[in-house]
Amino acid sequence: KQEVTQIPAALSVPEGENLVLNCSFTDSAIYNLQWFRQDPGKGLTSLLLIQSSQREQTSGRLNASLDKSSGRSTLYIAASQPGDSATYLCAVRWSNYQLIWGAGTKLIIKP
Amino acid sequence: EPEVTQTPSHQVTQMGQEVILRCVPISNHLYFYWYRQILGQKVEFLVSFYNNEISEKSEIFDDQFSVERPDGSNFTLKIRSTKLEDSAMYFCASSVSQSTDTQYFGPGTRLTVL
Repeated sequence: KQEVTQIPAALSVPEGENLVLNCSFTDSAIYNLQWFRQDPGKGLTSLLLIQSSQREQTSGRLNASLDKSSGRSTLYIAASQPGDSATYLCAVRWSNYQLIWGAGTKLIIKP
Repeated sequence: EPEVTQTPSHQVTQMGQEVILRCVPISNHLYFYWYRQILGQKVEFLVSFYNNEISEKSEIFDDQFSVERPDGSNFTLKIRSTKLEDSAMYFCASSVSQSTDTQYFGPGTRLTVL
């Protein structure tokens, strides 16, 4: 069964720290993997998309890596800020259409 | 910057009633999706739509659900006879192409079934 797991479920760090969020998935035959941010009661904001042929993608202070063979992706956030506080979701596309989602990591950045 | 919009932001209905959730995808996108997120649970895929037909659907998307693109801009999700367990946040998304492109999501409609 194709599943996506995110550990830890919650993470609290002081402002300014660099941090890594983890996503693991079964079945390495993916099309792509997408990282999202979700603020409480809000929609889903796409952060980064990594194609199956890529190793990493960067956007500002965010860097996402992909290791298909081990079924893992990481989202690296540099110099964290209180505004980074949100739930970060990982979603994997195996088929042509649907995304299969992890449960998310709730990140709190303490000022 | 173009964005996906959804209306209403919050819908309250009685069990057994029909509801229609509306979405306006990004204008040059060709693929459209509905997902839902029950409070405290993972986001779940419902259906994808391309060229005026369903291209993929999940087990959740049973006969009480239907989707339609009634005109060139709107994309709707209809739930014919709502149940308590249909209470969730419903997200619409769109993408330019299928496998390789980013799916862009709307802000969601919170459906509460009483």
